[in-house]
Amino acid sequence: GNSVTQMEGPVTLSEEAFLTINCTYTATGYPSLFWYVQYPGEGLQLLLKATKADDKGSNKGFEATYRKETTSFHLEKGSVQVSDSAVYFCALSVGTGNQFYFGTGTSLTVIP
Amino acid sequence: ETGVTQTPRHLVMGMTNKKSLKCEQHLGHNAMYWYKQSAKKPLELMFVYNFKEQTENNSVPSRFSPECPNSSHLFLHLHTLQPEDSALYLCASSQGTGINSPLHFGNGTRLTVT
Repeated sequence: GNSVTQMEGPVTLSEEAFLTINCTYTATGYPSLFWYVQYPGEGLQLLLKATKADDKGSNKGFEATYRKETTSFHLEKGSVQVSDSAVYFCALSVGTGNQFYFGTGTSLTVIP
Repeated sequence: ETGVTQTPRHLVMGMTNKKSLKCEQHLGHNAMYWYKQSAKKPLELMFVYNFKEQTENNSVPSRFSPECPNSSHLFLHLHTLQPEDSALYLCASSQGTGINSPLHFGNGTRLTVT
């Protein structure tokens, strides 16, 4: 079947620390992979995506590389800011009908 | 106004009430979705509409009734809900339904059933 597993939170980091949020997936076929971010009181926003193996998605200093051999799509940022505090969701899309499968989300808090 | 707009932002209703959630997208997309977000659980897809036609009903109880009068508007009609239906209901849209079409979400309606 299709599913996404991401690391449990919450994660608390100091400002300027390095961030990694792990995400692994199982999929039938060849999925596209996404990271979404949800700020307090808001809906989910697309952060970055990758559509094939070895693609790297990047946006706002965040990066994730589509690793087919390890079925992973880990999110990284070299230096986090307080404004990065949010919940991060890993997701995949596969098959017809734009079927999205989301992880449970990882809450990140960045302290000054 | 741009993006995906949902109203109301918050809704409290009793189990015997009837209410509706509204979603409007200003992105020119042709697919619209309802998702349910509950704490500690993955987002649950409820309904998908593509060019106003319902293409997905993810085993949702009949107390939730969707309506899509055109590609820009989506409603979720609620009646005789249960307390476990309390959640954040998110509307989303996409340009198509291919796997490379990312979802664009509204800010959600926080529903509390008393």
